[in-house]
Amino acid sequence: RKEVEQDPGPFNVPEGATVAFNCTYSNSASQSFFWYRQDCRKEPKLLMSVYSSGNEDGRFTAQLNRASQYISLLIRDSKLSDSATYLCVVGRGNKLVFGAGTILRVKS
Amino acid sequence: NAGVTQTPKFQVLKTGQSMTLQCAQDMNHNSMYWYRQDPGMGLRLIYYSASEGTTDKGEVPNGYNVSRLNKREFSLRLESAAPSQTSVYFCASSESLVLSYGYTFGSGTRLTVV
Repeated sequence: RKEVEQDPGPFNVPEGATVAFNCTYSNSASQSFFWYRQDCRKEPKLLMSVYSSGNEDGRFTAQLNRASQYISLLIRDSKLSDSATYLCVVGRGNKLVFGAGTILRVKS
Repeated sequence: NAGVTQTPKFQVLKTGQSMTLQCAQDMNHNSMYWYRQDPGMGLRLIYYSASEGTTDKGEVPNGYNVSRLNKREFSLRLESAAPSQTSVYFCASSESLVLSYGYTFGSGTRLTVV
């Protein structure tokens, strides 16, 4: 079993839609949590950190449930430019562990 | 501000050849990392360096060696390339091993071993 599991998708949504991604992690010792975005043939870039209290950055909302070991990302009012792969990332010890990613395609 | 710079961007090797992937960061970060990314696998840690002068193995170190040349530079060497090492390699850096800040990645090296 992978330490960080994500639905690979793809999620195909129309512009303006709300879409949610989920992620589960298996190691309860995980200490920090992130969502990264990766465009096709590009490097991953930090989208946002995820905190237990939940946090929002514009159209993006991230939630963490430590008891269930579950992380989510909600994107409201999807834009064409949101099309990318979204990586769920968990920090454990002194390293980051990456999920394989969820593909989002936003269509006009 | 260049961030993290990787060279080369593309490389084709024959089985058994050796090569070194170069990585340099200009953000005065202490920690540096090498990952490989394969379809459906996510990024997997090969080696990391917590600070200048130290290196440690990650999840998939076999077939690789690293050198932390100075605070800025962290190189990855394939001594005898194998087709299983065909992958996209990413170098990353972070201010410290405290993970609150996430990583900054280079643009990657696409390596094909034939």
